[in-house]
Amino acid sequence: DVKVTQSSRYLVKRTGEKVFLECVQDMDHENMFWYRQDPGLGLRLIYFSYDVKMKEKGDIPEGYSVSREKKERFSLILESASTNQTSMYLCASSSPTGYTFGSGTRLTVV
Amino acid sequence: QQQVKQSPQSLIVQKGGISIINCAYENTAFDYFPWYQQFPGKGPALLIAIRPDVSEKKEGRFTISFNKSAKQFSLHIMDSQPGDSATYFCAARVLSGTYKYIFGTGTRLKVLA
Repeated sequence: DVKVTQSSRYLVKRTGEKVFLECVQDMDHENMFWYRQDPGLGLRLIYFSYDVKMKEKGDIPEGYSVSREKKERFSLILESASTNQTSMYLCASSSPTGYTFGSGTRLTVV
Repeated sequence: QQQVKQSPQSLIVQKGGISIINCAYENTAFDYFPWYQQFPGKGPALLIAIRPDVSEKKEGRFTISFNKSAKQFSLHIMDSQPGDSATYFCAARVLSGTYKYIFGTGTRLKVLA
């Protein structure tokens, strides 16, 4: 069964910390995505990558960066965590028929 | 602007009833329209999808109806069951070659036993 694995289910971080969210896929997909999910706002695209070392900004990239050094791994970085970044973060990889999502990381910034 | 508008935000249906969730889009540069189902504590999972050259697609109790001229599509869940209680997202794939999707804001469905 194909999988997208996010390294942490729950994280609590302090304001100003640098936070790394890791995502690994085993499907050899070229395209990977980071979304955040907030009630009433749905899924909003933060960044995506269509190849190793390639990245593009999504709709809400401010305060975030990404890294893709290997095809299977796509990392989301919060440079200096703030309370308004408290959210559910979802990683996905895509094929022609749709996304496969990870289970999500619920991040709380205090 | 690329947007997908989804309604209602929440929906309560009796067991055995029909659940209907609607989505509308404005941009015509979409070529594929999936629906995702998300249970609490899980990531969304692909439920059913349709291409714009088809007006209806049915898989079991789930049906997508697509109206290209009105730029609307909807999900119908027939004989709704308590196990269908979840959040549903419609989505539209952007014509860009990168398989990027725009999502609706989600509908929280509760099916009463």
